[in-house]
Amino acid sequence: GQNIDQPTEMTATEGAIVQINCTYQTSGFNGLFWYQQHAGEAPTFLSYNVLDGLEEKGRFSSFLSRSKGYSYLLLKELQMKDSASYLCAVRGVDSGGYNKLIFGAGTRLAVHP
Amino acid sequence: DTEVTQTPKHLVMGMTNKKSLKCEQHMGHRAMYWYKQKAKKPPELMFVYSYEKLSINESVPSRFSPECPNSSLLNLHLHALQPEDSALYLCASSPDRTSGYEQYFGPGTRLTVT
Repeated sequence: GQNIDQPTEMTATEGAIVQINCTYQTSGFNGLFWYQQHAGEAPTFLSYNVLDGLEEKGRFSSFLSRSKGYSYLLLKELQMKDSASYLCAVRGVDSGGYNKLIFGAGTRLAVHP
Repeated sequence: DTEVTQTPKHLVMGMTNKKSLKCEQHMGHRAMYWYKQKAKKPPELMFVYSYEKLSINESVPSRFSPECPNSSLLNLHLHALQPEDSALYLCASSPDRTSGYEQYFGPGTRLTVT
């Protein structure tokens, strides 16, 4: 089956660092994506990992361990505007052998002053 | 241009109405997607078009009817919807279905069925 788990909610303080974890079990693996989604808006792409290790992009970093079925998104120097939902999505394989994006339920992050 | 546009932004319709949602991209992407998203839930895949052909229908009720007139346009025709169909409808595109590229999402259409 397909299963992606991430915490439902997290809170953090402005200026701090927060780590959002994601574990997955999917049929096939062709990469893991993190998206940010503000309430009522479309998801926007943050990062993509297909090999093990850390990808850094400004204040955001994403880590992947394929053997453990585990990823995390690290947000540094938190700002109020980072309050949003963070969606972990795995590109798995559907019954037709094609790539298919499977989303986790999302983690709602609230940043407080 | 890395934009996916969707119209309308908001739509209110009765259960007997017929309406259409539109999606457009000019990035040369050959895969386009419709997702449905309820509040505080992740996007759920509805349909995938690859090279203007329907390649995935995720057991979506026939009151939702997709159409891909050309490689830049994707429509979703709505007829006899139910109140539980109220949701944010997201369109997305990617270079193709097999690439490792991310999907680009449009801003969505907020649909309310009364």
